[in-house]
Amino acid sequence: GAGVSQSPRYKVAKRGQDVALRCDPISGHVSLFWYQQALGQGPEFLTYFQNEAQLDKSGLPSDRFFAERPEGSVSTLKIQRTQQEDSAVYLCASSLFRQGAYEQYFGPGTRLTVT
Amino acid sequence: AQKVTQAQTEISVVEKEDVTLDCVYETRDTTYYLFWYKQPPSGELVFLIRRNSFDEQNEISGRYSWNFQKSTSSFNFTITASQVVDSAVYFCALSEARQGAQKLVFGQGTRLTINP
Repeated sequence: GAGVSQSPRYKVAKRGQDVALRCDPISGHVSLFWYQQALGQGPEFLTYFQNEAQLDKSGLPSDRFFAERPEGSVSTLKIQRTQQEDSAVYLCASSLFRQGAYEQYFGPGTRLTVT
Repeated sequence: AQKVTQAQTEISVVEKEDVTLDCVYETRDTTYYLFWYKQPPSGELVFLIRRNSFDEQNEISGRYSWNFQKSTSSFNFTITASQVVDSAVYFCALSEARQGAQKLVFGQGTRLTINP
């Protein structure tokens, strides 16, 4: 079936603009994660949803970052008043319980460049 | 706190050589999961393997093999007879083994280049 999809794939924003990044998880996957990957670094956890409930937002770097998943499916990561340090690839992953553990399936990411 | 260290930033080898990617981790949990992911130039993270902390058996899948040693907190990945298509960034990751889906803690990655 279809994998995790993310849109847009590329986004260029001027400093101070608001952006919204979309994630469509694999159908039926209850859990959804957002990660931020800076250039040359490994992904870092931002936030986690189980259905529509945001159970962990400890990785969000500031109150300019906000995520939602109102119907337990599609999720949106919003960044307000973007700064240059927000430039990164934002990865979404949905999770399935298989063979005794949860496996995360990643989307292609959205590359955000703040100028 | 959990931490994953991949000391090798970049590795370059000639095709058909064997190559080992190192991964060392830190955790206070007694049970946990370890992972390897591949990230080709397209950017999508591709799952390669998951190991439980209580299962120290080494695993082989085709040209890939993994050596898990709890005593040294290491989970190394070896590619035998490397091919150009193996060129990618490889990430080692760690998660807690609690009920429910758990976030992944990634290392910084090793960029592997296989030259023809």
